[in-house]
Amino acid sequence: QVQLQESGPGLVKPSETLSLTCTVSGDSFSTFYWSWIRQPPGKGLEWIGYIYYSGSTNYNPSLKSRVTISIDTSKNQFSLKLSSVTAADTAVYYCARMRGREFDSWGQGALVTVSS
Amino acid sequence: QSVLTQPPSASGTPGQRVTISCSGDSSNIGSNTVNWYLQLPGTAPQLLIYSNNQRPSGVPDRFSGSKSGTSASLAISGLQSEDEADYYCAAWDDSLKEVFGGGTKLTVL
Repeated sequence: QVQLQESGPGLVKPSETLSLTCTVSGDSFSTFYWSWIRQPPGKGLEWIGYIYYSGSTNYNPSLKSRVTISIDTSKNQFSLKLSSVTAADTAVYYCARMRGREFDSWGQGALVTVSS
Repeated sequence: QSVLTQPPSASGTPGQRVTISCSGDSSNIGSNTVNWYLQLPGTAPQLLIYSNNQRPSGVPDRFSGSKSGTSASLAISGLQSEDEADYYCAAWDDSLKEVFGGGTKLTVL
């Protein structure tokens, strides 16, 4: 049973860079796509992007200029960096595994608040 | 505003059958499969239906999905109090991104 766990600062200042890491355990890290999804408080889900274990990426066009997703297969981790954040980036950030076209396993989520 | 359109709310009484709709267009639902996610209060979403109508292991057969053209539906039969949650549809869009519906809050009366 795969498990995913997000980690990183819960508070980020406006204009700075949000950084989160997802640690994967319990199953093979390779041959899957790994994704980040966020949910602003009281709102719906927004896909941020994904990375394949080989390192290839695909980002949501609306966030592409500010997003970088990277992977460290030696640590079974993948990471999210979102630059130039504003209050609109305040959200619960989830990491998830993609099996096929569906997100079949999710982390518990990490609330990141953008505030000075 | 979400790319996929869902009703913001739905309700039913225990034992009843409820359906939740999800409307898209030819670039998403019309050309790709639909997945459904269940989000219980205060928890992460979980996969409920994938590839239009497939249930992951452990999901009761009370839950079923269907797709026709550019729309999809989630049906819940034998409604139970523990089904009270938010439900999201999702699909890949040919503009190279995953898109979600705005979510439907299901209330069991």
